[in-house]
Amino acid sequence: AQSVAQPEDQVNVAEGNPLTVKCTYSVSGNPYLFWYVQYPNRGLQFLLKYITGDNLVKGSYGFEAEFNKSQTSFHLKKPSALVSDSALYFCAVRDIGGNTPLVFGKGTRLSVIA
Amino acid sequence: DAGVIQSPRHEVTEMGQEVTLRCKPISGHNSLFWYRQTMMRGLELLIYFNNNVPIDDSGMPEDRFSAKMPNASFSTLKIQPSEPRDSAVYFCASSSRPAPNYGYTFGSGTRLTVV
Repeated sequence: AQSVAQPEDQVNVAEGNPLTVKCTYSVSGNPYLFWYVQYPNRGLQFLLKYITGDNLVKGSYGFEAEFNKSQTSFHLKKPSALVSDSALYFCAVRDIGGNTPLVFGKGTRLSVIA
Repeated sequence: DAGVIQSPRHEVTEMGQEVTLRCKPISGHNSLFWYRQTMMRGLELLIYFNNNVPIDDSGMPEDRFSAKMPNASFSTLKIQPSEPRDSAVYFCASSSRPAPNYGYTFGSGTRLTVV
C-alpha cells in the first residue's frame, strides 16, 4: 500500500530564510511524487511533481523539491521564504506501476514570519 | 477554463437533513475524485470515478453517503441523513486521465456545517 508521512504539523521560518517542508513516502515500486499548496478557503493547487529524471525538481513560486530514493524522501525547499508562502502544504504519492489515486499526507502548515 | 466548479461554497444544515454537494469537472477530464478534509483526519479520498464509472468507494464512511456521476460534466455527493460529525470541507478534483503521472485540479471546496 502507498503512504505518505509529513512529520511536521507546523513549520515556522523567518522571512528571507530558507525553508524545508519534509515528506517521506512508501510505495511498492517506483513513485510519482507531488506537492500541493492550499491557501485559506481555497482548494489545493499543484506546485511540482517528480516523475523521472533529474532528482531536483523545480516548480511554481520558486519552490523546488529533491527526490532521494535511498531515503524515500521528497522534501520541499525554497531558498528564501516570503510571508506570502504561508499556507498548508501537502505531499502526495502514487506507485508508477499502479493505476490508483494519489495518496496525500496530512499536510504541514508553513508560517513565514516577517 | 473556469476550473473545477463546486457548489455551494458553504452549506449549513440541521442534523437529519439531506445535503447534496455538486461538482463540475474540467471539460475533457475523465477522472473525478471526492475528498473530505478535517483537522483530525486530513484529506481523505471518499470515492473516485473514471469515465463516469465509480471505481473505488471504499472511502465512503457510511451508507449515508452516496455519489453519482450521470455524465462527464457533473457529479454529486449526497449525505442522507446528515450528522454533526459530517461537518468538513468537501473537495472535488478532476484529472485528464487515470495515468499515474497526471496530477489533479481541485475545486474550491464546499464547507459543510451540520448543526
